Amino acid sequence: GAVVSQHPSWVICKSGTSVKIECRSLDFQATTMFWYRQFPKQSLMLMATSNEGSKATYEQGVEKDKFLINHASLTLSTLTVTSAHPEDSSFYICSASQPQNYGYTFGSGTRLTVV
Amino acid sequence: GESVGLHLPTLSVQEGDNSIINCAYSNSASDYFIWYKQESGKGPQFIIDIRSNMDKRQGQRVTVLLNKTVKHLSLQIAATQPGDSAVYFCAAANQAGTALIFGKGTTLSVSS
Repeated sequence: GAVVSQHPSWVICKSGTSVKIECRSLDFQATTMFWYRQFPKQSLMLMATSNEGSKATYEQGVEKDKFLINHASLTLSTLTVTSAHPEDSSFYICSASQPQNYGYTFGSGTRLTVV
Repeated sequence: GESVGLHLPTLSVQEGDNSIINCAYSNSASDYFIWYKQESGKGPQFIIDIRSNMDKRQGQRVTVLLNKTVKHLSLQIAATQPGDSAVYFCAAANQAGTALIFGKGTTLSVSS
């Protein structure tokens, strides 16, 4: 089946630094990927939709200059949290869609802790 | 915009009982629905899906029911096991390939 690999699985960074999270589709081409954020005991909140070769579409309230998304190839999308602050600490999850069969494949998530 | 919600945040059942988890959605244009299971620290795990042209779909020990008239979705788990303990989310998409919008989640606790 379709597999999405997300790295790193966890990261601790200092306040003010930037962190890059990678999401890679291993056995299929993902023209569209989605990035979600999940705070403890809450649901997954859609942050942005990433289309290969074009600018990401951000949800209302998500700062595009803070959460940089790059989808330069059909198998890789990256989320960079710039100038991270403790309030950015969260679980970040990517998902790739396969519209032809209504498939959505999720990565295993990245636990970001900003200290 | 789309919103998806669940009726109860927690559900506690005994091992062997049947569990029913409910979900309501707001957008009548929603075409595709999925139930996910999430264990602590992990990404969502697909359980079962249903498209809007169906009202029932069965899998192994799980059944999803869709009532488009009242915009309601339910997940039934038969003979619930301790390994079913997790948080369950419903999610909806307007059409194939568009973003899934998640509901708030129900924590299912199964005691033996």
